[in-house]
This record gives sequence, structure tokens and C-alpha cells, in this order.
Amino acid sequence: SQTIHQWPATLVQPVGSPLSLECTVEGTSNPNLYWYRQAAGRGLQLLFYSVGIGQISSEVPQNLSASRPQDRQFILSSKKLLLSDSGFYLCACLPQGSYEQYFGPGTRLTVT
Amino acid sequence: AQKVTQAQTEISVVEKEDVTLDCVYETRDTTYYLFWYKQPPSGELVFLIRRNSFDEQNEISGRYSWNFQKSTSSFNFTITASQVVDSAVYFCALSDAQGGSEKLVFGKGTKLTVNP
Repeated sequence: SQTIHQWPATLVQPVGSPLSLECTVEGTSNPNLYWYRQAAGRGLQLLFYSVGIGQISSEVPQNLSASRPQDRQFILSSKKLLLSDSGFYLCACLPQGSYEQYFGPGTRLTVT
Repeated sequence: AQKVTQAQTEISVVEKEDVTLDCVYETRDTTYYLFWYKQPPSGELVFLIRRNSFDEQNEISGRYSWNFQKSTSSFNFTITASQVVDSAVYFCALSDAQGGSEKLVFGKGTKLTVNP
């Protein structure tokens, strides 16, 4: 079965600083990968998804970007963080042939 | 556009009570999937169940049961004889079956607190 790692677990960054969150997947090949954000007291919002290396689809206009340099690596980045970027970021994996997305442990980001 | 509504923001029950979490969805697709996820305090989402739009049979798994009714666009979740460990935020979600992206649209979640 697949295992999803996210790094770091928590992060406190000042406004205007850059961001890099990493998600790596074990136990499956060529999965779909997703980045979701959960703002305080709200549901999960899909930010980006990828169906393969170098293929990124953005769901919400924002100052974040995503990249998939390897089959099982998905990175969420920003050049300059905003206060509104604070939240809980979850990476998810949809294994080939499956209909269920499996989630990583998340990264809690606080922008100060 | 797809939409999932979980009207109950928070529910508090006493241990051993039964509790039902409501989920209403909107979609124009004829083929779609419905999901429930559990988010314990640790934050990680745990998959509970998937249902496709052609299967309206109710499902039971231990103390958990799900009632899918296409006529009312609802997919409700019942916990029987609730336990403290059931305390979590529960999310209902919807995805279409087209295009291979399998994007999930989530409701805002229902926070369930089970008191001893």
C-alpha cells in the first residue's frame, strides 16, 4: 500500500518570504497527486493536481505554484507568502486503478 | 458546478448515542462518486467509504452505516453506539468520473464530539 510523506510538518514564515513544501509517495507508481489547503474552520480546497511528471493543473488563481519533478514527488512553492496563505496543506495520492485518494499527514503553515 | 453541503457544523453527543451526519450534493454528471473521510485531531484524512452513483445499496461496516439516496441527492453517515474515539471532523466529498483527474469537491465538514 502507498505511504505519503510531507515535509515539514509545521512551518512559521514571515510575509514575503519564499515557500517550498514537499510531498513524496511510496508504494505506487504513476499516481495522480493533489495539493489541498484547509483554512481554519473551513473545508478542503483543491489547489493543484498532477496526472504525470511535469503536468500540473491549477484550480484556484493564487500566488502559489506546484511542480512534479519526479513521478512520486510533488512540490508546492511560493516566491512571496501572503498572510492569507496560512493554513493546513495536505498532499493526496490517487494510485493507478483506484478511485480513493489517500492523504498525507499535512503541513501546518503560519504566515506572520 | 459540483457542490457538497454539510449543514451540520458541529454535533455533540454522549457516548453510546447514535448520530447521523448529513451530506447533500449537487452535480450534473450522471456518473460520479461519493466519499466520506474522517479527520482526527492529528489532521490526516482517513478514507472511510466510496460509493458510485449507480449503486444505491446502503452499506454497513461495523458501527458505521451509509444511506445513499439519489432521489434526494443525499449520502448520510450514521455512527451507531458512538465512542469517544469517533470524535473527529467528518468530510463528505464528491468527484466526477470523467477525464482521469478524479478531483474531489469537499463539504465544509461536521465536527463530531463524543463525550464520555
